[in-house]
Amino acid sequence: DAGVIQSPRHEVTEMGQEVTLRCKPISGHNSLFWYRQTMMRGLELLIYFNNNVPIDDSGMPEDRFSAKMPNASFSTLKIQPSEPRDSAVYFCASSFYKNNEQFFGPGTRLTVL
Amino acid sequence: GDSVTQMEGPVTLSEEAFLTINCTYTATGYPSLFWYVQYPGEGLQLLLKATKADDKGSNKGFEATYRKETTSFHLEKGSVQVSDSAVYFCALSDGAGNQFYFGTGTSLTVIP
Repeated sequence: DAGVIQSPRHEVTEMGQEVTLRCKPISGHNSLFWYRQTMMRGLELLIYFNNNVPIDDSGMPEDRFSAKMPNASFSTLKIQPSEPRDSAVYFCASSFYKNNEQFFGPGTRLTVL
Repeated sequence: GDSVTQMEGPVTLSEEAFLTINCTYTATGYPSLFWYVQYPGEGLQLLLKATKADDKGSNKGFEATYRKETTSFHLEKGSVQVSDSAVYFCALSDGAGNQFYFGTGTSLTVIP
C-alpha cells in the first residue's frame, strides 16, 4: 500500500485566498483524522471522520475551516478565506478503527502570506 | 477526561547515552498506549505500542512498558544514535474507542 497520500506537499498563498488540502487514506481504513501542527500549539486534532461521517469537529478553529469526506478514499480540508495565522503543517491520518494506531501522511506545509 | 502528559524538551544527548522520555496518562477505562516518532520534515509514524497492563512494546531498540500502577509508559533506549534525533509523541487511545490523545511531543537531539 502507498500509505496515506496528501496533496499538495507545499502550498503558498496570499491572505484571503481559498486553500484546499487533499487526503487519500489507506484502503480499508474507515477512520480519518485531520491535524494541524505548529511550533506554538503543537499537534492539534481538527476533525475526524468514521465511515465518512464527521464525528467530532470541535477542534476546527472557526467557520473558515471546513472538511468533507465524500467517499471512503478521499477527504478535503478547506480554508476560506485563509489568514497568515493558518500557516502550519496539516496532517491527515487514517486508521482501521478510531482507537487503533493511526497512519500519518507526509503533511502539507501551508504558508499564507 | 483522558489525557497524556509527557516530559518537556528539548533533550540533548551524546551518542550511546541512555534515553528516557517520561509519559504518564489519565484514563477512566483500559486504554491502549503508543509512542510515535516524527523525523524532520516527515509525518508521525508508530514506533511501538502496548494494549494492556504489563505489556512491553519494543522496536528499533526502543522499549516502553505499560504500568497501570503508576499510570506510566516511559520510553527508553539503552544507546541512542544520531539517527534517533526526532520528536517523540506519547499517545493514548481510550478504552471506549472514542478518542485518541497525543502528548505535546519531546524533541531529542543526539550529538556525535
